[in-house]
Amino acid sequence: EADIYQTPRYLVIGTGKKITLECSQTMGHDKMYWYQQDPGMELHLIHYSYGVNSTEKGDLSSESTVSRIRTEHFPLTLESARPSHTSQYLCASSESSGRAGELFFGEGSRLTVL
Amino acid sequence: AQSVTQPDIHITVSEGASLELRCNYSYGATPYLFWYVQSPGQGLQLLLKYFSGDTLVQGIKGFEAEFKRSQSSFNLRKPSVHWSDAAEYFCAVGAWYGGSQGNLIFGKGTKLSVKP
Repeated sequence: EADIYQTPRYLVIGTGKKITLECSQTMGHDKMYWYQQDPGMELHLIHYSYGVNSTEKGDLSSESTVSRIRTEHFPLTLESARPSHTSQYLCASSESSGRAGELFFGEGSRLTVL
Repeated sequence: AQSVTQPDIHITVSEGASLELRCNYSYGATPYLFWYVQSPGQGLQLLLKYFSGDTLVQGIKGFEAEFKRSQSSFNLRKPSVHWSDAAEYFCAVGAWYGGSQGNLIFGKGTKLSVKP
C-alpha cells in the first residue's frame, strides 16, 4: 500500500479562481512528480522535483507552479484556473536510486473548471 | 525520442480466458520497462517491472510480461482473467543515464473489460 495522499480528490470551481492541489508522501522519497491525465491520452509529466528546493518543468507545458519546501510535501498551484485546466492530476514519488521508475501514485485529483 | 505504443485502446475478454496486452517501445539505450494498472477513480499501481536479467518477469495478481529486445516489445499476459482485472493498463519506459535519472514515458493505456 503506497503512502501518498492527494487532496482534494474532486474539485469543481469557476474560472479565475486560484487552486492548490495538495500531495504528501510518508515514504521519505526524494523524488516527486505531477502528471496530467486526460481520457485516452498518455500521462504527461508537468512537474518534478528531485529534492527540497528543487523543481523542474516536465515534458508538457503547464501554467501551474509547484514548490518543494519539505521532502514530504509537493503542492501544485494554479493562480487563475481556466476550463482548459480541467483534467485529472496525479502525484507520484520514487526513491533516489540509479533507476528510473517504480513510481508510487496517489489516487488523483480530478479538477473541473467551469 | 523515446516513445511507448499500446496498439489496443480497448480489449474485451471473457472471464477465465487468457489475456495479452501489447506494448512496443522506441528507445536507443537499454530501457527499463513497467506495467501499471489503474482502476476507476484510482491512481496507478505497479504490476511489474523489468530492469535486466531474465526477460520473463512475474508481477502481482498473476500477471507476467516478457521483454523481447528484437521486437522492442514488453507484452503483458495473464493465463486466466478475473472480473476484478477490469481496469486500464499502462506500459511505461524509463532509462538510466548514468549520472541522472530519466523520467518515465507512458503509453496511452489499454482499457480492459471482462465479460461474464
